[in-house]
Amino acid sequence: SQKIEQNSEALNIQEGKTATLTCNYTNYSPAYLQWYRQDPGRGPVFLLLIRENEKEKRKERLKVTFDTTLKQSLFHITASQPADSATYLCALDMSTTGFQKLVFGTGTRLLVSP
Amino acid sequence: EAGVAQSPRYKIIEKRQSVAFWCNPISGHATLYWYQQILGQGPKLLIQFQNNGVVDDSQLPKDRFSAERLKGVDSTLKIQPAKLEDSAVYLCASSPKGQQNTEAFFGQGTRLTVV
Repeated sequence: SQKIEQNSEALNIQEGKTATLTCNYTNYSPAYLQWYRQDPGRGPVFLLLIRENEKEKRKERLKVTFDTTLKQSLFHITASQPADSATYLCALDMSTTGFQKLVFGTGTRLLVSP
Repeated sequence: EAGVAQSPRYKIIEKRQSVAFWCNPISGHATLYWYQQILGQGPKLLIQFQNNGVVDDSQLPKDRFSAERLKGVDSTLKIQPAKLEDSAVYLCASSPKGQQNTEAFFGQGTRLTVV
C-alpha cells in the first residue's frame, strides 16, 4: 500500500538557521506534491505545490525540491524565525478517479528557538 | 472571501452516543473533504464529495460513520454510536472544481472527545 513518511520527531533549530524537512513516499508516482503548515488548534494551510517535472520551487524563504527517482521531497525554510514554529505536512494526490484525492503524511513539528 | 466554516468547535460525548458535525465550504467550491486527525498524526481522509456525489469513501467506517452533502453545498458528518477511538479533530476542507493541482482550504476543525 502507499506510504507517506515524515520525521515523527520534532526538529529543533536556532533562529537564523535553515530548517530542512523530509517527505518520503513509496509505492506511488504522484504527478505533484503539496506542503502545508498547521498551527496548534488550526486547520492546515497551503504553502507550496511542486509538479513532477519541477525539480525546485521557491516562495520567499521557502524552497521545495522533488526527486521522483528517490521518491522524496525536501522542504527548506531559510533564515528561520520563531514564528515558523509549527507542524509541516506533505500531501500527495493519490487519485484514481480523476478528482484530486489528497493524502497527508504524519507531519513534522518544527521548533525554532530565539 | 469567507473561509471554510465548521461547527461546533468542541464536543464532548459519552461512548455509544451520537454526534454530528457541520461544514460550510467556500462558496463555489465543488470538492469537499472530511478528514480525521488523531493527536500526533496527519489528517486521514474519510470521505470526499464532488458536488453532492461521493467520490471516495474507502476509509470511512461505514458501520458507524455517515456523511451527506445535500444540494452540493453544506455537509454533515455523523458518528453513531461513538467509540473512544473516535476522539480526534474532524477537519473539513474544500477546493475548487476538484481538478488536480489545486490547494485545499481547511476549516478550524471540530475537536471531539469521547469519554
